[in-house]
Amino acid sequence: QSALTQPASVSGSPEQSITISCTGTTSDIANYNYVSWYQQHPGKAPKLMIYEVYKRPSGVSNRFFGSKSGNTASLMISGLQAEDEADYYCTSYASTTGLVVFGGGTKLTVL
Amino acid sequence: DVQLVESGGGLVQPGGSLRLSCVASGLSVRSNYMSWVRQAPGKGLEWVSIIYGDGTTYYADSVKGRFIISRDNSKTLLNLQMNSLRPEDTAVYYCARYYGAGSYFFDYWGQGTLVTVSS
Repeated sequence: QSALTQPASVSGSPEQSITISCTGTTSDIANYNYVSWYQQHPGKAPKLMIYEVYKRPSGVSNRFFGSKSGNTASLMISGLQAEDEADYYCTSYASTTGLVVFGGGTKLTVL
Repeated sequence: DVQLVESGGGLVQPGGSLRLSCVASGLSVRSNYMSWVRQAPGKGLEWVSIIYGDGTTYYADSVKGRFIISRDNSKTLLNLQMNSLRPEDTAVYYCARYYGAGSYFFDYWGQGTLVTVSS
């Protein structure tokens, strides 16, 4: 059982927007701005998409937007494209361990 | 450009040992926080071990006492010694830089190496 809770799957049509949630507790997401998001295509390594809740690494499309409210972080992807179809994982700093915890992952299907 | 390349995976019997290596280019494993993250077949990501620049090490409860993370004297090699392997250790193991100095995320990843524990 993962420390952070994500929906198992989400789907959307091309050009639409979707949001993936990541729910934690007061020991992680609620009290720390250290949420990150990773994209993983089948058979490939994860790729950092968002760090520190909303920051995008160089080269990541501005169609990816991170936010947080209370103990839930969200990743919004606008203008869905076929290439966005992948698994997405969230992580957060956790005060209980002083390290990061992962979410269970969400499979995004572009219809 | 940063590149991380893992090696050492393979098939091993339960109770056996395996040593994974990660060769880094474009960054020094001695001055960065480095980690191993694994992914069991069809499952999510799980961090396994982290080593700080000062040599402090951390392990997931699932591998504590069985796995050892280390760096060699060069600036480029990260290792993971895996002992007393169990079928549930079967996974792709990724080497990743852990940006743990003032923030907490994994920014560079290798392509992974598959470890299969089976008789």
